[in-house]
Amino acid sequence: ETGVTQSPTHLIKTRGQQVTLRCSSQSGHNTVSWYQQALGQGPQFIFQYYREEENGRGNFPPRFSGLQFPNYSSELNVNALELDDSALYLCASSRDRVVGYTFGSGTRLTVV
Amino acid sequence: QKEVEQDPGPLSVPEGAIVSLNCTYSNSAFQYFMWYRQYSRKGPELLMYTYSSGNKEDGRFTAQVDKSSKYISLFIRDSQPSDSATYLCALESSGDKLTFGTGTRLAVRP
Repeated sequence: ETGVTQSPTHLIKTRGQQVTLRCSSQSGHNTVSWYQQALGQGPQFIFQYYREEENGRGNFPPRFSGLQFPNYSSELNVNALELDDSALYLCASSRDRVVGYTFGSGTRLTVV
Repeated sequence: QKEVEQDPGPLSVPEGAIVSLNCTYSNSAFQYFMWYRQYSRKGPELLMYTYSSGNKEDGRFTAQVDKSSKYISLFIRDSQPSDSATYLCALESSGDKLTFGTGTRLAVRP
């Protein structure tokens, strides 16, 4: 299996709700990072998982959490959604944190 | 001050032109320098990455890094309408996070 796939592609949620976004990495890619990209901005690092352990975190509050599973899939969970959480959420994977992450097409989250 | 500064454009050029895209950065710890291309409604796609100062060429694309000036560039020769996209510079220091510029929107007119 090649490429990084994300689901769903689009999602609309109400302020205060919780959301789970999913990512399936390439086989053998044991490193996954999540990014938030607001409209007209570059992606902002949320956190990284390496071999199922959190390996680094950006400037995001604890209501952003994640999981990585042995089958190279991962999740991003966001609790207590706020309007400013509306963005494109990107998943990126690599093998052993080697330079050259492969990105998925993202999940477009709209919070109303 | 942002760690990585990139002119957001938009930049509009005629087909066949040479395009120059640039980023400046402030953190000397950055070791890897990447350029991603992002089409509308898609995720970023890695074009090139470099580790040291100097030039790296791949077809019509040349990446240039000047660590002493903390300045990186991407040149596109013989630009094509299919090159129309947003170009993002991304810098990495320690194998975890990428720090991106805001992206430059490029339009190549036929």
